[in-house]
Amino acid sequence: EDKVVQSPLSLVVHEGDTVTLNCSYEVTNFRSLLWYKQEKKAPTFLFMLTSSGIEKKSGRLSSILDKKELFSILNITATQTGDSAIYLCGRMNYGGSQGNLIFGKGTKLSVKP
Amino acid sequence: NAGVTQTPKFQVLKTGQSMTLQCAQDMNHEYMSWYRQDPGMGLRLIHYSVGAGITDQGEVPNGYNVSRSTTEDFPLRLLSAAPSQTSVYFCASSPGLSYEQYFGPGTRLTVT
Repeated sequence: EDKVVQSPLSLVVHEGDTVTLNCSYEVTNFRSLLWYKQEKKAPTFLFMLTSSGIEKKSGRLSSILDKKELFSILNITATQTGDSAIYLCGRMNYGGSQGNLIFGKGTKLSVKP
Repeated sequence: NAGVTQTPKFQVLKTGQSMTLQCAQDMNHEYMSWYRQDPGMGLRLIHYSVGAGITDQGEVPNGYNVSRSTTEDFPLRLLSAAPSQTSVYFCASSPGLSYEQYFGPGTRLTVT
């Protein structure tokens, strides 16, 4: 079964903390792994990862993919209250159902001042 | 360039009624998809399309129909609404499978 599993499902931290969000997937014809941030409205794109071991970075956020172990992590350093959101991980694959972007349940991050 | 637009923003239906949620994009994207989002469930794929005239089922297609007669539009039809279809619906589009998807603002649907 093509599943995407995110952990933890929710997380409460204080400003300045560093957090690591996890995403594991089960698929054979893997194409890419995507991370999105969702505040009160539509998800907004953060990263797309296709190659193992190459870190993508944007400001305080970074992400890396391990294709051998089938997981990705999203790191946020020096968290701010504006980082409070649901973080969604999704995977796209090749093959018969290509075009099929499947998401996990998300991690709800709350950053307290 | 409006991006991905969805109408209506809010809708209340009675059980058994039918309706169409509209989605349009002006970016000439080939790939479009529909998701529903329920509390604690992330985004679940309903139907998707890799180009005009081509559609396929996602994870939770039952009770929904789609068609893709043009590149720009991808309407989602609820044939006979049920309370289990109460959700927030997002439409998304992408230039292709190697690119990120852009999401519309969502439609909040309540079925009573």
